[in-house]
Amino acid sequence: NAGVTQTPKFRVLKTGQSMTLLCAQDMNHEYMYWYRQDPGMGLRLIHYSVGEGTTAKGEVPDGYNVSRLKKQNFLLGLESAAPSQTSVYFCASTRVGEQFFGPGTRLTVL
Amino acid sequence: GENVEQHPSTLSVQEGDSAVIKCTYSDSASNYFPWYKQELGKGPQLIIDIRSNVGEKKDQRIAVTLNKTAKHFSLHITETQPEDSAVYFCAAGYTGNQFYFGTGTSLTVIP
Repeated sequence: NAGVTQTPKFRVLKTGQSMTLLCAQDMNHEYMYWYRQDPGMGLRLIHYSVGEGTTAKGEVPDGYNVSRLKKQNFLLGLESAAPSQTSVYFCASTRVGEQFFGPGTRLTVL
Repeated sequence: GENVEQHPSTLSVQEGDSAVIKCTYSDSASNYFPWYKQELGKGPQLIIDIRSNVGEKKDQRIAVTLNKTAKHFSLHITETQPEDSAVYFCAAGYTGNQFYFGTGTSLTVIP
């Protein structure tokens, strides 16, 4: 099993550009999450999904959109990137309890 | 929503000593309290967790205690080793739902 994978690993954007981060899991987990990690602020939940076709807002959803068209994939979109979205993004999945995290995507917005 | 506070933000210990990291939470309905270890350049990895119906749990050199009345829980690492050096995060929430993370503790074990 590959576990949780994230694509891409690194990305540099200019302000106003758009992009999509892809998260994939092969553990048949129902729940998937997108977090951002900033220095001194821990992990903050952006959006999450409790099953295929469902999404919900977390703590810091503004400026992001998500989709869960397939159970194994959870996409995070930035429609118009801003420097404040420079961060490391982690995806996680779980059935119940332990969340399994991906390796992260380091995003820089200039 | 839930508010999780974690202390200290940095901790240095001599190899072989114990390390203790403490967290408090605000939502009395939270029933699941995991601890994660994050090494540089990697995603967080679960090291131990505890549910609200248990007061203490131990796994070799790592233990977690939970005081639901006071709404605080702690991570204890005994006989620390250099490979324990990492950032540790506590979290609180409901199983199958969203978790709220503390701001992390950077642990350095000095050989």
